[in-house]
Amino acid sequence: QVQLVQSGGGVVQPGGSLRLSCATSGFTFSSYPFHWVRQAPGQGLEWVAFIRYDGSKIHYADSVRGRFTISRDYSNRTVYLQMNSLKFEDTAVYYCAREASADFGAEYFQHWGQGTLVIVSS
Amino acid sequence: DIQMTQSPSTLSSSVRDRVTITCRASHSVGSWLAWYQQKPGKAPKLLIYKASTLESGVPSRFSGSGSGTEFTLSINDMQPDDFATYYCQQYNTYPYTFGQGTKLEI
Repeated sequence: QVQLVQSGGGVVQPGGSLRLSCATSGFTFSSYPFHWVRQAPGQGLEWVAFIRYDGSKIHYADSVRGRFTISRDYSNRTVYLQMNSLKFEDTAVYYCAREASADFGAEYFQHWGQGTLVIVSS
Repeated sequence: DIQMTQSPSTLSSSVRDRVTITCRASHSVGSWLAWYQQKPGKAPKLLIYKASTLESGVPSRFSGSGSGTEFTLSINDMQPDDFATYYCQQYNTYPYTFGQGTKLEI
């Protein structure tokens, strides 16, 4: 059974840092790409970052590029989102999501973590 | 960036109704379009991918169509469990983008 279990959210001051984790089980971790998606309170979904199954390709939304870093640890089967220089507008529920497969055309988000709330507040 | 625009933003309907949600892309995304359902406090759930392919386990009353820049999600015979917010998402080009959402209300 595919599971994505998130941790690491919380309250942080503007300019601070936080690292989110997405621990996985139930599938071959090294075969799948992952994303982070966020949702500000009462708002829609915003794609944040992507990491390829082998870590060789990474993409970021313009709103977070240079401040956020996505990474993955194969031994711990975990995907991370390191968030630095946090701003008020980064306040959101953050979701990790797994693609259906690494194949072309399967880039939709088939499995999601439960979400973790990040609040940037002074 | 490719902008995704959903209409309507809110839709009132009743059990057993048929509803249709439209999603328009600012540039062609081919068939690389997914639909998700989200309930309050929960993660989104994949319903449809590649514009019209039903995800395993999703009831057949959900259907998707379209290609290029115009897509629709239809729900036949609305059930109480279907009242939620629905998002389209293009995965043709980075940055991947979502529509603003359509909230289905009773």
